[in-house]
Amino acid sequence: GAGVSQSPSNKVTEKGKDVELRCDPISGHTALYWYRQRLGQGLEFLIYFQGNSAPDKSGLPSDRFSAERTGESVSTLTIQRTQQEDSAVYLCASSSIGGPSTDTQYFGPGTRLTVL
Amino acid sequence: AQSVAQPEDQVNVAEGNPLTVKCTYSVSGNPYLFWYVQYPNRGLQFLLKYITGDNLVKGSYGFEAEFNKSQTSFHLKKPSALVSDSALYFCAVRDHTGGFKTIFGAGTRLFVKA
Repeated sequence: GAGVSQSPSNKVTEKGKDVELRCDPISGHTALYWYRQRLGQGLEFLIYFQGNSAPDKSGLPSDRFSAERTGESVSTLTIQRTQQEDSAVYLCASSSIGGPSTDTQYFGPGTRLTVL
Repeated sequence: AQSVAQPEDQVNVAEGNPLTVKCTYSVSGNPYLFWYVQYPNRGLQFLLKYITGDNLVKGSYGFEAEFNKSQTSFHLKKPSALVSDSALYFCAVRDHTGGFKTIFGAGTRLFVKA
C-alpha cells in the first residue's frame, strides 16, 4: 500500500481481555516503531524493530505488552489482561534505513483502544 | 538519558504574522532532530529533520527550523502563519550514537487566528 496501515481503527474491550493490534508498514521499510499516545499527551515510545528483530524494547511498560514482526512486514502488538490505563491510541510508524529518507518516520492512523 | 522539552502548551498567533514553536533537547551524543505535525482527525506527518550539515533546515509547508548546538534548541519557525497551520506540533530527538529510541516532546498546540 501507499502508506502505513493499522487495524483495527477502534477497539473496545473489557478489562482483563487480551487484544492484538496490527501494523502494516510501507513496503521496503526496514525499521518499525510502536508508540502509545494517551489523551492529550505526547507520544510514548514502546518498541523498535529492525527487520524482525527488536533491538530496543525499553519502552514496553510491563510484561503484559509484547510485539513481534514477520520479516520486514507486518507487526503485531499484543496486550494481555488489559487494564483501564492501557486505554490510548497506539501508533505505528515505519522508516527506511539509508538514503535521504532515513529516520523519517511515516505514521499510521493509529488504533484507538478503550478498556472498559 | 534523552529528553525533549516543548515549554509552551499553546501558541497563539495572528494570520500573516511570524510564528515560532520552541523545542529544547538533551542527548548524550549527537542528535537527530525532527518536527512532526498532527492535524485534527489526521495522522502524524513529518515536517522536517536535522541530521547533519546546515543548521537551518527547510521543510514542508514553508516551515523551517534552526539547530543551535550551544543552546540545545531546535525551534520551528514560519515567516507568515496561515489559519490552516493550526495543529499540534511535536518535536522529537534521537541520539544516533546510542540506540534507536525516538523521544517525542509533549506537543505544542498552535492556533492561528484569522
